[in-house]
Amino acid sequence: SQQGEEDPQALSIQEGENATMNCSYKTSINNLQWYRQNSGRGLVHLILIRSNEREKHSGRLRVTLDTSKKSSSLLITASRAADTASYFCATDGSGGSNYKLTFGKGTLLTVNP
Amino acid sequence: EAQVTQNPRYLITVTGKKLTVTCSQNMNHEYMSWYRQDPGLGLRQIYYSMNVEVTDKGDVPEGYKVSRKEKRNFPLILESPSPNQTSLYFCASGLYDRGLETQYFGPGTRLLVL
Repeated sequence: SQQGEEDPQALSIQEGENATMNCSYKTSINNLQWYRQNSGRGLVHLILIRSNEREKHSGRLRVTLDTSKKSSSLLITASRAADTASYFCATDGSGGSNYKLTFGKGTLLTVNP
Repeated sequence: EAQVTQNPRYLITVTGKKLTVTCSQNMNHEYMSWYRQDPGLGLRQIYYSMNVEVTDKGDVPEGYKVSRKEKRNFPLILESPSPNQTSLYFCASGLYDRGLETQYFGPGTRLLVL
């Protein structure tokens, strides 16, 4: 089963607007992480939230975690054209293993100038 | 500079010709892993390693081998590549503390198997 599932698959907004992406997962986790990938390049870590945390901020990023619903959201405020990228959530603890990291299929965000 | 390096970055090969993709990190991380990325399927973990001489299967290990003889290196070996292994491959390293911590990714290796 797919551990991390992002929603929506694609999102197109105007510069200055906020972008919200969601991630759902199926099993219990230790940590949930969000990564960003510019087309065909390596992934860059954005933020990590632990299972005992509910909200975390980093610059223009805000992440929430609801373990009862097994879901997380990533909010990017005041988006810029440079935020155009794919965003992935990743969870550990998948399938009973704490050492496997499972990624969702990602949300493709396009920020139009 | 802290980094994960992969070589080669691009590779075209033929079915059955053994190949190795190297991965090296300079951050003294215990945890290293390999992923493949395919359109519509996202990133899937192939193998991971918790430390030297400790490796385990990820979600898609078939057709791949790994070794971890030194802490900094984690090569991915395709003994007999097939066209369905055409993909974009990423190596990553990181720490394990209270779960898997921030992972640092290499730039990727784009492999085409003919």
